[in-house]
Amino acid sequence: EVQLVESGGGLVQPGGSLRLSCAASGFTFSSYEMNWVRQAPGKGLEWVSYISSSGSTIYYADSVKGRFTISRDNAKNSLYLQMNSLRAEDTAVYYCARVAVALHDAFDIWGQGTMVTVSS
Amino acid sequence: SYELTQPPSVSVSPGQTARITCSGDALPKQYAYWYQQKPGQAPVLVIYKDSERPSGIPERFSGSSSGTTVTLTISGVQAEDEADYYCQSADSSGTYADWVFGGGTKLTVL
Repeated sequence: EVQLVESGGGLVQPGGSLRLSCAASGFTFSSYEMNWVRQAPGKGLEWVSYISSSGSTIYYADSVKGRFTISRDNAKNSLYLQMNSLRAEDTAVYYCARVAVALHDAFDIWGQGTMVTVSS
Repeated sequence: SYELTQPPSVSVSPGQTARITCSGDALPKQYAYWYQQKPGQAPVLVIYKDSERPSGIPERFSGSSSGTTVTLTISGVQAEDEADYYCQSADSSGTYADWVFGGGTKLTVL
């Protein structure tokens, strides 16, 4: 079964750090581009970051640029999001999502999400 | 920054047709995608490349494009279709740095 499972969320104080992980299974992870997408409580979806299959190309939303770092370990079938200098407005459910080139770059598989709460 | 505009809510009776629009200046040049999200669940892709349906998505879901507006149409709406629907696209530069989601539309089945 094709699956993405996020972990690492939790409660963190403003200015703190957190590292999210996304474990992939059921497909050849190293062949797929990946993204992080977040959703604040009661709000819509917001794209956060993209990484190419090799990890050589990376993009960030302006709202997280300079604070968040996306990375991947293809040997471990895992995607990561290092989040530093966290702010209250970063509070959200964070999803990892696979890019399906065959579907013209749609996000075809999503994890169940991990909740990040930034509060003192 | 680039924005995609959706109506906050759409209501239809079971068996009727629901149409959810998404407007954006770059839509004539960029593909649009639609996702369904039920409460407490992750989004699910229902339409890609404006009008293509992924395998496993019921035929009652369809998409279309006209100028700066794309439309998700659900024919013969069922109670299980009640959900939030989000469009996604990119601005005219078309790089992965420009992915944008619409604000979402809550579909209520009366």
